[in-house]
Amino acid sequence: GQNIDQPTEMTATEGAIVQINCTYQTSGFNGLFWYQQHAGEAPTFLSYNVLDGLEEKGRFSSFLSRSKGYSYLLLKELQMKDSASYLCAVRDSNYQLIWGAGTKLIIKP
Amino acid sequence: GAVVSQHPSWVICKSGTSVKIECRSLDFQATTMFWYRQFPKQSLMLMATSNEGSKATYEQGVEKDKFLINHASLTLSTLTVTSAHPEDSSFYICSATDRGPSGANVLTFGAGSRLTVL
Repeated sequence: GQNIDQPTEMTATEGAIVQINCTYQTSGFNGLFWYQQHAGEAPTFLSYNVLDGLEEKGRFSSFLSRSKGYSYLLLKELQMKDSASYLCAVRDSNYQLIWGAGTKLIIKP
Repeated sequence: GAVVSQHPSWVICKSGTSVKIECRSLDFQATTMFWYRQFPKQSLMLMATSNEGSKATYEQGVEKDKFLINHASLTLSTLTVTSAHPEDSSFYICSATDRGPSGANVLTFGAGSRLTVL
């Protein structure tokens, strides 16, 4: 079966750095996405990786290793507004999106 | 960037009634739209793929007669929850793909519709 694993919950301090990991086993691979979802709201797109390596976008970076079936989302200079759930999703060989259960990130002052 | 508009954002209805949710792509044409459902503290569950001008494709376990999907134009898809019951209470989110800055087909979500069935 297809599976996406990410931690259920993480806690970090304002101003710090946090890394959210995602491992996947899917039927083929056509890209990995990270989305941010605030409570009661729809997800918003953060990043997309299809090749190995690091993609940096401001305070957020996303890394991919296809051989390891592994990605992480790195958030720097954490702000209180970063408190949200972060969803990892992989597009499989049929171009279907397989979603992880999300990681709830709690930022403390 | 791509914008997907969804309404109503929340609706409360009595058991047995039907509720229609609209999803519009505002600045792009979407031949395909996706309808998701999300229960509290759970991940997104794909319900169906809505195809413009043809029948929707439903995921296993989703009743097509209960969740009616119509995609009559390139910018509008509707989901009708028929004879709603309390167990249908959930957060329903539509989405469509558009080519993002990276060139990838990125899924853009509507704001979601929170349905409460009394």
